[in-house]
Amino acid sequence: GDSVTQTEGLVTLTEGLPVMLNCTYQTIYSNPFLFWYVHYLNESPRLLLKSSTDNKRTEHQGFHATLHKSSSSFHLQKSSAQLSDSALYYCAHRVSGSFNKLTFGAGTRLAVCP
Amino acid sequence: ETAVFQTPNYHVTQVGNEVSFNCKQTLGHDTMYWYKQDSKKLLKIMFSYNNKQLIVNETVPRRFSPQSSDKAHLNLRIKSVEPEDSAVYLCASSLGVSSAETLYFGSGTRLTVL
Repeated sequence: GDSVTQTEGLVTLTEGLPVMLNCTYQTIYSNPFLFWYVHYLNESPRLLLKSSTDNKRTEHQGFHATLHKSSSSFHLQKSSAQLSDSALYYCAHRVSGSFNKLTFGAGTRLAVCP
Repeated sequence: ETAVFQTPNYHVTQVGNEVSFNCKQTLGHDTMYWYKQDSKKLLKIMFSYNNKQLIVNETVPRRFSPQSSDKAHLNLRIKSVEPEDSAVYLCASSLGVSSAETLYFGSGTRLTVL
């Protein structure tokens, strides 16, 4: 079945350093949609960015990701981490015709320190 | 701005009791979901409704039963709770069931089973 694998556990960074959270997916379908959701403490999870276009960079709120179907990857990046980026990040995957059923990765907690 | 409302925020109960959680969305969306976020922060879909019709029913114990009175409301009842039911239950909605749709989450109901 479909699955999503993310950078495991906790990623701790010093403010100002680049962010890279890995995400790879497994599917037998050729038309995947990939998403990054962010879950800040005491808030609801919300969409950060999404893509279904191969090799096209998608950006939002300083974060960017590029879907690479050849490597089944959708890594999340940011050039300079901020304290306010500390949150739980979920990569998610959905295929066409799946009734919008998202398969989430296990989540990566990002902690940005001064 | 919150548009998916869940009640209660927290619920503590004992093994064997019945609990009910409510969810309402004011976005005019057709599709609603229940997700379970466990203690390891794994996020898994339980049920999905589109225009009051059940369209996704993952492998969950039969003591879980969703209820939808209209497309803006989706409740979750758990008969005879078990310790492993302790989790955060997240309600979400989307405009429809197409692959590109964004999920809008509520703030969650944290269930603790003693």
